[in-house]
Amino acid sequence: SQQGEEDPQALSIQEGENATMNCSYKTSINNLQWYRQNSGRGLVHLILIRSNEREKHSGRLRVTLDTSKKSSSLLITASRAADTASYFCATASQGGKLIFGQGTELSVKP
Amino acid sequence: DAMVIQNPRYQVTQFGKPVTLSCSQTLNHNVMYWYQQKSSQAPKLLFHYYDKDFNNEADTPDNFQSRRPNTSFCFLDIRSPGLGDAAMYLCATSRDARAMGETQYFGPGTRLLVL
Repeated sequence: SQQGEEDPQALSIQEGENATMNCSYKTSINNLQWYRQNSGRGLVHLILIRSNEREKHSGRLRVTLDTSKKSSSLLITASRAADTASYFCATASQGGKLIFGQGTELSVKP
Repeated sequence: DAMVIQNPRYQVTQFGKPVTLSCSQTLNHNVMYWYQQKSSQAPKLLFHYYDKDFNNEADTPDNFQSRRPNTSFCFLDIRSPGLGDAAMYLCATSRDARAMGETQYFGPGTRLLVL
């Protein structure tokens, strides 16, 4: 069963702009993770935020988590053409498995 | 560099002809996962190994089997591929699944085409 749903499904922006992607989930979680997938490639882990954390930063990435609303957002600041990829949220619950959302396809135009 | 390796990157097989995809890791992780990902969809977990313990997902078809002969290697066997099995197959590892959802490290994937 799908845990995470992402919004928007697709996002197209100009280089230098910020990109925001949202993820909603249904059940309680231990942590939430964001992954990037370039076309035809495997997934690359970006950032993990635990259920007792509200915000986390890594370089140009900012992730927020609101457990009361069961939602998370990923902000990429000053986007670059190389950020073009699909971005997936994944929730980790009891048993340690990850359940992936449907993903947001980001296109950054030079 | 420690990594997850999948071979081959592209695999073409015929309808009904058994096929094996392989995954190896140099991370010495306890857990290895196999996911199926169809175009524009989320990765779907097929099964995972915690050391030698095999854990099958309830909705994984019997057509899909797996072997883990040692810590480093894990194989995905599709006994009788159908057209609907054409997808990207992703292998991933993590140190310890019982740590309630650790970071997973993915290989580049094998794209399977069924003719």
